[in-house]
Amino acid sequence: GAGVSQSPRYKVAKRGQDVALRCDPISGHVSLFWYQQALGQGPEFLTYFQNEAQLDKSGLPSDRFFAERPEGSVSTLKIQRTQQEDSAVYLCASSSTTGGSQETQYFGPGTRLLVL
Amino acid sequence: KQEVTQIPAALSVPEGENLVLNCSFTDSAIYNLQWFRQDPGKGLTSLLLIQSSQREQTSGRLNASLDKSSGRSTLYIAASQPGDSATYLCAVSGSARQLTFGSGTQLTVLP
Repeated sequence: GAGVSQSPRYKVAKRGQDVALRCDPISGHVSLFWYQQALGQGPEFLTYFQNEAQLDKSGLPSDRFFAERPEGSVSTLKIQRTQQEDSAVYLCASSSTTGGSQETQYFGPGTRLLVL
Repeated sequence: KQEVTQIPAALSVPEGENLVLNCSFTDSAIYNLQWFRQDPGKGLTSLLLIQSSQREQTSGRLNASLDKSSGRSTLYIAASQPGDSATYLCAVSGSARQLTFGSGTQLTVLP
């Protein structure tokens, strides 16, 4: 596809349920990032991958959050035992580079998660 | 820890006005600074990227400047239009690659 796609676009979960959010990056992009955006705030970094390697997961808020990118393209962010404070928009971004001053991250439309 | 602040949080202007959005950051060791636009319920669209060695970038009616030593950037929008209404986010990147965002400025351009 032409851009980063995410699915589902909306997800309603009952507290305690597990959810899985999918990100399809731009074809050929080696780097993939996940961000969490609370209402009225800027996005906050969760984790990133370079190919299939998860190089930084310092932003994951708890061990209930887990991300994977097993084949270096599609990525899944999994949240176990969801809690109300997990309600947010989850944004995925991809980049064709491995860092540096010219790196541009291209964002998907996000998945809006509501935990009841 | 890098912190990014955007002022004002919200701005409402009549169509045709020129306007300036402000962004400040605490750690000057950045690789680049980006300005994004976010429409309600949508993802982020990159508007301008300024590398740390650059002072400004221009795209159409948009001009962004960077003063790395003072930790400031401005986004100048000329001849604003109702279609410019959106939230504008400033973000910086460094050696850790993650983007650190401000909370955004919500812009409304009134016809």
